[in-house]
Amino acid sequence: SAVISQKPSRDICQRGTSLTIQCQVDSQVTMMFWYRQQPGQSLTLIATANQGSEATYESGFVIDKFPISRPNLTFSTLTVSNMSPEDSSIYLCSGNRGGTDTQYFGPGTRLTVL
Amino acid sequence: KQEVTQIPAALSVPEGENLVLNCSFTDSAIYNLQWFRQDPGKGLTSLLLIQSSQREQTSGRLNASLDKSSGRSTLYIAASQPGDSATYLCAVTRAAGNKLTFGGGTRVLVKP
Repeated sequence: SAVISQKPSRDICQRGTSLTIQCQVDSQVTMMFWYRQQPGQSLTLIATANQGSEATYESGFVIDKFPISRPNLTFSTLTVSNMSPEDSSIYLCSGNRGGTDTQYFGPGTRLTVL
Repeated sequence: KQEVTQIPAALSVPEGENLVLNCSFTDSAIYNLQWFRQDPGKGLTSLLLIQSSQREQTSGRLNASLDKSSGRSTLYIAASQPGDSATYLCAVTRAAGNKLTFGGGTRVLVKP
């Protein structure tokens, strides 16, 4: 199975600050996805990250709030900007490793905003 | 817009009983459906993937069926164990390597 790692695994941040989450895949992945899971809720897609082009954001999510980088086929970052307590969630990255149809997920980053 | 629903939202069974988890989706034009397991505070573990052309997939005590035309999938877990306690999520995608649309999940508790 794919190995997808995320850093940090958790963080507690102050309101108004920003946090960058890193996602590393052990092999090349064409598309990577960033999801948010609010407390007690299911997963909601934030954006799709392709190498060499701007990320595609879902309705309700904007680049100024969640800028994404995708410098190569194994790495991506998501920044949560100007955080508020409503941003407290688990953020997960995923991708279809090795050309398979199975989508693999990272362990998630648990963010708490005070 | 695709909507995925999982019923029930929570389920509690005694150890040894079979588990039946339901997933329904509104748009039958799916490429595949995946079942995941999520332990509290953790990421997602892929359990089974069913292609749209398939009727079922099996892995150990797990069996997932798919009725694409009626927009339904069912995950069966035989002879449940306390270690099966977790949240189970289903998700569908429209195309290969594309984004997933998730259901709300079913939280399962297997009592010893």
